[in-house]
Amino acid sequence: QKEVEQNSGPLSVPEGAIASLNCTYSDRGSQSFFWYRQYSGKSPELIMFIYSNGDKEDGRFTAQLNKASQYVSLLIRDSQPSDSATYLCAVSFGNEKLTFGTGTRLTIIP
Amino acid sequence: DAGITQSPRHKVTETGTPVTLRCHQTENHRYMYWYRQDPGHGLRLIHYSYGVKDTDKGEVSDGYSVSRSKTEDFLLTLESATSSQTSVYFCAISDPSRAFYGYTFGSGTRLTVV
Repeated sequence: QKEVEQNSGPLSVPEGAIASLNCTYSDRGSQSFFWYRQYSGKSPELIMFIYSNGDKEDGRFTAQLNKASQYVSLLIRDSQPSDSATYLCAVSFGNEKLTFGTGTRLTIIP
Repeated sequence: DAGITQSPRHKVTETGTPVTLRCHQTENHRYMYWYRQDPGHGLRLIHYSYGVKDTDKGEVSDGYSVSRSKTEDFLLTLESATSSQTSVYFCAISDPSRAFYGYTFGSGTRLTVV
């Protein structure tokens, strides 16, 4: 069974620091990786995606892939209180369907 | 929410009654999905559709059926609601012809079965 695992947290990070979230996946052949942000009571919102060929930076967000160890990470620089949310990792195991992790709850402390 | 609407937003129903949730999109995306989200389980795929009248089961499909008679509408039916189906249901769409195919989610339906 294809699995995606995340530490549920909560992860507390001081405002202005770097928040680091990790996700491991079970299938070495996975090709596409996604990070969603979900505020309480809201729907998931796509914030980053990367393919198996490299890392990606977008503003304060960086997604990194370690294929050998089968994990993907999301770094949030200069963390803001508005970054407080649950972050969902999702992986495509070779088809269009995404498998989601259970999410990591991030709290930015002012 | 990028042209994707779920209805109703909230519903309370009694055990044993049938319930239908609707997902409507205006993006003309081929692919549509129904997920449920529960604490400790994350998002789990119930059913998905790759086009009109082309549907298939996900990992938690027991007790659910779907229909897609038009590109824009994907209906999820709980045939006889049980308390274990109390959850938040999300519809999502994607388009494989795009450069990437991350999902766009609807606002969700909070269903309570009493």
